[in-house]
Amino acid sequence: SQTIHQWPATLVQPVGSPLSLECTVEGTSNPNLYWYRQAAGRGLQLLFYSVGIGQISSEVPQNLSASRPQDRQFILSSKKLLLSDSGFYLCAWKTGGLNTEAFFGQGTRLTVV
Amino acid sequence: EDQVTQSPEALRLQEGESSSLNCSYTVSGLRGLFWYRQDPGKGPEFLFTLYSAGEEKEKERLKATLTKKESFLHITAPKPEDSATYLCAVQVSGYALNFGKGTSLLVTP
Repeated sequence: SQTIHQWPATLVQPVGSPLSLECTVEGTSNPNLYWYRQAAGRGLQLLFYSVGIGQISSEVPQNLSASRPQDRQFILSSKKLLLSDSGFYLCAWKTGGLNTEAFFGQGTRLTVV
Repeated sequence: EDQVTQSPEALRLQEGESSSLNCSYTVSGLRGLFWYRQDPGKGPEFLFTLYSAGEEKEKERLKATLTKKESFLHITAPKPEDSATYLCAVQVSGYALNFGKGTSLLVTP
């Protein structure tokens, strides 16, 4: 069966520090991978998605970047965090090419102080 | 612009009191409507996928239905463990799901 791992679960970082969140998927190959952010009172906001190694699409221009160095690995990064980067970050995967459901990781609560 | 609106924002029910959550959408070319359950501090958990008007899916006390403009999540005789935020999402084109803001459900004993 497929599983998705996301870490860390919680993170407190000072303003201006770098960020690296990692997500890996097991039990499937060539998945579509996604990073969402969820802020209080708002829906899930799509940040990035990837349909293959090295292929990254950005939905919202901001202080973040994403990379996919391996088929089942998706990384969310920032060089210098802003206060506004605080939120709940979720990684998800779905079968590539089909109108199927997405499966989510357990999320990372990021607080920028 | 594609829109997904969920109502109510919050719902409080007594245990056993059935009700429905609504997800209305204004999209062109719907390719799927998805329901998720999210517990506090956790990632969303997939519940149902609906693809065409008239389709229904059931799981325990939950039943999801779909029309051309909206979807309902019916909760029959809810229990306290059904308390969660329920999210609706649609896929129109491309590769990602567009989510509504969710309905926060509280079921009291």
